[in-house]
Amino acid sequence: EDQVTQSPEALRLQEGESSSLNCSYTVSGLRGLFWYRQDPGKGPEFLFTLYSAGEEKEKERLKATLTKKESFLHITAPKPEDSATYLCAVQAGGTSYGKLTFGQGTILTVHP
Amino acid sequence: NAGVTQTPKFRVLKTGQSMTLLCAQDMNHEYMYWYRQDPGMGLRLIHYSVGEGTTAKGEVPDGYNVSRLKKQNFLLGLESAAPSQTSVYFCASCSYNEQFFGPGTRLTVL
Repeated sequence: EDQVTQSPEALRLQEGESSSLNCSYTVSGLRGLFWYRQDPGKGPEFLFTLYSAGEEKEKERLKATLTKKESFLHITAPKPEDSATYLCAVQAGGTSYGKLTFGQGTILTVHP
Repeated sequence: NAGVTQTPKFRVLKTGQSMTLLCAQDMNHEYMYWYRQDPGMGLRLIHYSVGEGTTAKGEVPDGYNVSRLKKQNFLLGLESAAPSQTSVYFCASCSYNEQFFGPGTRLTVL
């Protein structure tokens, strides 16, 4: 059974204080690992897809990395508008496009 | 281009009542999904469709039915609602490996 575990459950940062969110996974043949951002009362918003160990992707203050067992979402010099829940999900090999297993999410709060 | 839309946004049902949630997408995507999101449980896949006229079970399908009669629409039905189905329901459609989510429907079953 595919499993995704995110840590920490919640993270409070001061503006400008860099940190990382963790996503550990077990999956039968990783087809892709996904990061989403979810604001309160809204649907998840796609951030990144990573396909193989060693791959990295960046978007503004966010950088996602992937190893064979986990992924990190690094947040550099965060701003209050980065406050959201960040979700990690995996797609197993041999499954249909978009058939994802999600973690429980990390609630990030950035204080000014 | 509205993306993925969901109707209704909120609904309160009594135990045993039935209802249908509507999802529509205007991006010509083949793949569509229904998830539920509960506190501490993350997003869990209920049913999905890989094309018009097809449906398949996800992780938590019991108590739900779906239909995909038109490519742009994916309907989720609750035949006899139970309090355990109180949740926020999200629809999504997929282009290759990027899922686009709707704004969600908050359902309360009393």
